[in-house]
Amino acid sequence: AQSVTQPDIHITVSEGASLELRCNYSYGATPYLFWYVQSPGQGLQLLLKYFSGDTLVQGIKGFEAEFKRSQSSFNLRKPSVHWSDAAEYFCAVGASGSARQLTFGSGTQLTVLP
Amino acid sequence: DTAVSQTPKYLVTQMGNDKSIKCEQNLGHDTMYWYKQDSKKFLKIMFSYNNKELIINETVPNRFSPKSPDKAHLNLHINSLELGDSAVYFCASTQLDRNTEAFFGQGTRLTVV
Repeated sequence: AQSVTQPDIHITVSEGASLELRCNYSYGATPYLFWYVQSPGQGLQLLLKYFSGDTLVQGIKGFEAEFKRSQSSFNLRKPSVHWSDAAEYFCAVGASGSARQLTFGSGTQLTVLP
Repeated sequence: DTAVSQTPKYLVTQMGNDKSIKCEQNLGHDTMYWYKQDSKKFLKIMFSYNNKELIINETVPNRFSPKSPDKAHLNLHINSLELGDSAVYFCASTQLDRNTEAFFGQGTRLTVV
């Protein structure tokens, strides 16, 4: 069965600082990987996705993530955080084939200090 | 136009009642899902339909019954509501034969009192 671990429950960074959110997955085949962001009271918005190809993927709002098969990781990065980035971030793995349902990590709450 | 829309956005009801949440997608996708987000924000798959056929039915109490009248709609009916059913329920859709992500609705916050 697939699983996703986000080891950091809560991260606090200052505005303008760099950010890295960690994500490790467990899946037997090549995974489909996603990062979603959830602002308070809102739905889930896709930041970026990996299906195949280039292991460094660019997303919206200046985010990027790198798929490292050897480390089973898909960490999210941003070089300079803005106050509006404060939100809950979810890493997810989608099963290839079948219904491609998502298995989510437990989320990382990002706080941005002025 | 909202791609995946759920109604209602908020639902407060008493224990023992029966309620429904509706979901519609206008993306032409063939697959729809229901996810539950608990009070700790953990998201878990409940059901999935592909072209109106049930393809995922996770370990969910049988008080929860999904219904897909057509591939653009997936409704969730809950009988005999319990306090523990309080959560945010998200509908999502995707197209399985394309490398595309799941698009999520805004969620329905269900509070059982």
